[in-house]
Amino acid sequence: EVQLVESGGGLIQPGGSLRLSCAASGFTVSSNYMSWVRQAPGKGLEWVSVIYSGGSTYYADSVKGRFTISRDNSKNTLYLQMNSLRAEDTAVYYCARESGAGIVGLWGQGTLVTVSS
Amino acid sequence: DIQMTQSPSSLSASVGDRVTITCRASQSISSYLNWYQQKPGKAPKLLIYAASSLQSGVPSRFSGSGSGTDFTLTISSLQPEDFATYYCQQSYSTPPVTFGQGTRLEIK
Repeated sequence: EVQLVESGGGLIQPGGSLRLSCAASGFTVSSNYMSWVRQAPGKGLEWVSVIYSGGSTYYADSVKGRFTISRDNSKNTLYLQMNSLRAEDTAVYYCARESGAGIVGLWGQGTLVTVSS
Repeated sequence: DIQMTQSPSSLSASVGDRVTITCRASQSISSYLNWYQQKPGKAPKLLIYAASSLQSGVPSRFSGSGSGTDFTLTISSLQPEDFATYYCQQSYSTPPVTFGQGTRLEIK
């Protein structure tokens, strides 16, 4: 079955760090464009980051310099390392697979990150 | 970045109604426009891609149209399971992909 399963969310204090994981099954992460999209409570969807099949990475301005997207080909897993977390980073984080045209056809179930003291 | 604006932000309708949601891009995006449905507590689901192509498995009561800057999502006859929030998204100039603010479709 083709699916994405996120893990790693939780409650973290401002300024802290967290690493999200997204385990893929049924396809190869490294052959696809893989993204993270987040959704703050009661708000809309916000693109966070993408890693292309060739390895290029891009970030939203709101997280640039604080978040790092990566993948482990041997584990077929996508990651999002989040440092210097702020209250405004509180959201459900979705792992997603894009087609080459930026169409997000596959989503994970999401993992909640809460940044609060 | 390309900005996407949806209208209305919320909409009340009844089962069987025909509903149209509009999405406007801040610049021309050709037909690089996608629509997603999201139900509470669930991940978004792709409905329409490339403005008018129906994703596999999506009921034919959903349709999309438009090009350039103005787009519409139409549900021809609302079913109970269609009450959800709908988002448009441009994939013309990426990254970043950008989403509209969402349209919440509620039961009247």
